[in-house]
Amino acid sequence: GENVEQHPSTLSVQEGDSAVIKCTYSDSASNYFPWYKQELGKRPQLIIDIRSNVGEKKDQRIAVTLNKTAKHFSLHITETQPEDSAVYFCAASIPGTNDYKLSFGAGTTVTVRA
Amino acid sequence: KAGVTQTPRYLIKTRGQQVTLSCSPISGHRSVSWYQQTPGQGLQFLFEYFSETQRNKGNFPGRFSGRQFSNSRSEMNVSTLELGDSALYLCASTPKIQGGETQYFGPGTRLLVL
Repeated sequence: GENVEQHPSTLSVQEGDSAVIKCTYSDSASNYFPWYKQELGKRPQLIIDIRSNVGEKKDQRIAVTLNKTAKHFSLHITETQPEDSAVYFCAASIPGTNDYKLSFGAGTTVTVRA
Repeated sequence: KAGVTQTPRYLIKTRGQQVTLSCSPISGHRSVSWYQQTPGQGLQFLFEYFSETQRNKGNFPGRFSGRQFSNSRSEMNVSTLELGDSALYLCASTPKIQGGETQYFGPGTRLLVL
């Protein structure tokens, strides 16, 4: 099955600096790569996603890049703010029995220091 | 539209008991997926239902089962509970038939097995 590896597991950054989280996947058939943010005690929420026919996507301070050849994708957060502190999960959709299913990375706990 | 809802939000059981959790997807969403979230294992895929049929299944023992009703509401059942089943159980709904679409998560049911 699909194996999504996510690094680092924890990340501490100074407010205003950038944060980068990297994920790799194993199944070349994966075609959809969402990123979720989960604040303490809350549900995961989609913050950005990218499909396999696109190499980069940006939404304000958040960007995602995808390298299909190397099978890795990354989340970039610029000008970090305290409210960016959360657990971030990457995921990759892989072919299942009848449809695609999401396989998640183990998560990265991001702490933004004021 | 109302978001994904899950009931109950918190549950305490003892070993050997069984439990049923409920998930109501966003109106119009036909696919419901279930995940187990634990601090050490991240988000683990349990199964996915579409049109009352289980389409995909993760690597969990047969004690974990689910079903989906004609109105797309879904339930999952865990029989013969073990201490290791203590976790946050999240469901997520997706609007379309094919994969690659955003999954919207519910708030989760936190299960504690004593």
